[in-house]
Amino acid sequence: DAGVTQSPTHLIKTRGQQVTLRCSPKSGHDTVSWYQQALGQGPQFIFQYYEEEERQRGNFPDRFSGHQFPNYSSELNVNALLLGDSALYLCASSLLGPPGANVLTFGAGSRLTVL
Amino acid sequence: AQSVSQHNHHVILSEAASLELGCNYSYGGTVNLFWYVQYPGQHLQLLLKYFSGDPLVKGIKGFEAEFIKSKFSFNLRKPSVQWSDTAEYFCAANTGTASKLTFGTGTRLQVTL
Repeated sequence: DAGVTQSPTHLIKTRGQQVTLRCSPKSGHDTVSWYQQALGQGPQFIFQYYEEEERQRGNFPDRFSGHQFPNYSSELNVNALLLGDSALYLCASSLLGPPGANVLTFGAGSRLTVL
Repeated sequence: AQSVSQHNHHVILSEAASLELGCNYSYGGTVNLFWYVQYPGQHLQLLLKYFSGDPLVKGIKGFEAEFIKSKFSFNLRKPSVQWSDTAEYFCAANTGTASKLTFGTGTRLQVTL
């Protein structure tokens, strides 16, 4: 059990559509990060949320947006889907603190296919 | 730019063989280093981490890694692999208190009986 729960596990969309992915962090964690893992690649950082605000952002366009709720859960939204958005989307949670405590716990991911 | 490189993309070993997977990083300043493993159909799991102190880090399932600052390397080792070690292995790094991780492209390890 990863402790981080993501939904849905799989989904198929068509180009131009919008998608929302959801994440519940591990109990006790207050920070949520999202990563995109394309086939055969390592995860790429999208953004991180803490105290309901975007704290850091990777090199992704504004079509990618997110939200964190008061219970620390989070959503990732992608608008105007492109074929290249097909990937495994990973949510990771952590507890904001000094480097020694700042270890990510990953969920199993949501696999998005864009046709 | 910060980057992590894994030069072994696919490694095939027989059971009981020794393993060393390469990882090099390009970071300025203090760096934190990690190895994650992704077993088939499972989520990413932390194998081991280095923040400071002893450069030889021991992790779960008999894995260890050595931080060599002069070589910008953090190679993963295991003296004797098992069939159950078949998985994809990712090296990752971040700096300071930022938890944003930069991952390498991964190494697929296949252990044969």
